[in-house]
Amino acid sequence: DIVMTQSPVSLPVTPGEPASISCRSSQSLLHTDGRNYLYWYLQKAGQSPQLLISLASNRASGVPDRFSGSGSGTDFTLMISRAEADDVGVYFCMQALQAPLTFGGGTKVEIK
Amino acid sequence: ELQLVESGGGSVQPGGSLTLSCAVSGFSLNDYWMHWVRQVPGKGLVWVSRVNIDGRITAYSDSVKGRFTISRDSARNTLFLQMNSLRAEDSAIYYCTRTRGTTVFDFWGRGTMVSVSP
Repeated sequence: DIVMTQSPVSLPVTPGEPASISCRSSQSLLHTDGRNYLYWYLQKAGQSPQLLISLASNRASGVPDRFSGSGSGTDFTLMISRAEADDVGVYFCMQALQAPLTFGGGTKVEIK
Repeated sequence: ELQLVESGGGSVQPGGSLTLSCAVSGFSLNDYWMHWVRQVPGKGLVWVSRVNIDGRITAYSDSVKGRFTISRDSARNTLFLQMNSLRAEDSAIYYCTRTRGTTVFDFWGRGTMVSVSP
């Protein structure tokens, strides 16, 4: 199975300031079609996860443009350009290149 | 409006059985592979099982293989997860979600809680 490792585990953020989360995979997520099968989700308190980013860098419908994803191969980053209070929750990365689909352990973002 | 609504969770003793359902609306099951993902409250997400569009191809995590069975009823637009020989470690919130091509887990249900204890 592909192991997904996120860091940091906890991330205090200042409103208006940037924030970034790292996700590393134990194997390259680069498919022969040229796309990286890496996804980002946000789970707010008491809610189910919501899709933020597909294929490493494509924002899902309705996701604010302050969220961006980057990276390739085994190293990926989720960036929040200017954090807002509504961004608190747990962020998960997930690989969809190979079964079983596997998730990172999560990064809890909270406001300072 | 797109909805996925899980039901069927509850408390059961070890060795018992439960059947979870996921009723979908706003889209057709015939267009999506469907999945179950579980989460111990406060912990991470774990993929459990998936079924393809016609229901003939299924897959399971090693931890549930041989005990859980996923199925779908397209006429009723409902996904199922039959869970047998339940163990304490199966206790979690179970979510249903969907994929189509490179669109992966774009919508989730609210989940149903399963608790396995003596």
